[in-house]
Amino acid sequence: EMVMTQSPATLSVSPGERVTLSCRASQSVSTSLAWYQMKPGQAPRLLIFGASTRATGIPARFSGSGSGTEFTLTISSLQSEDFAVYYCQQYNNWPPYTFGQGTKLEIK
Amino acid sequence: QVQLQESGPGLVKPSQTLSLTCTVSGGSISSGNYFWSWVRQHPGKGLEWIGYISDSGTTHYNPSLKSRVTISVDKSKNLFSLTLSSVTAADTAMYYCARDVAGGSFLDYWGQGTLVTVSS
Repeated sequence: EMVMTQSPATLSVSPGERVTLSCRASQSVSTSLAWYQMKPGQAPRLLIFGASTRATGIPARFSGSGSGTEFTLTISSLQSEDFAVYYCQQYNNWPPYTFGQGTKLEIK
Repeated sequence: QVQLQESGPGLVKPSQTLSLTCTVSGGSISSGNYFWSWVRQHPGKGLEWIGYISDSGTTHYNPSLKSRVTISVDKSKNLFSLTLSSVTAADTAMYYCARDVAGGSFLDYWGQGTLVTVSS
């Protein structure tokens, strides 16, 4: 089973800062990589698919990059509504799809 | 806009069967080349994909759960369902339903999730 490793587990940042979240795959997933945002009590939200394509309605401050085993999600200028937990998911080697353990963005 | 809503009992006894339903609104479950997934999240943990079904009934399951999982679809009611048999406390989790764009792909719409606790 493909293992996805996200780092860091928690990131304390201030609004307006630029942040980069990392996701590493245990073997190549090409660009079959998605990013999701999760907030308590809300439906998870697809941010990025295909490693770098923003989903419909996702602000331009969110960007994804990478291929193979190394991926990043960058938020160019953090807004208050961006404090959440972010997960990566691979869909290249399945079943099963596998997710990372998440990175929590908290307010510094 | 497509919306998904999970429903079902919040408490299940050990060794019994967990049954959840996901009702799809804002679009037909049969329209487009979509698949319909279940994902769960154990308390304080990451996400675990359970499996998916197409509108024609094709299924794929997580090998770790395959022996206990059944996903079915009811096109007439625009919903799909999850059953998980022989549950234990380890099955306590938030259960989400989601739309899979193409089967073997990403999940573009999700429900808000429903918490299921396994306890006597």
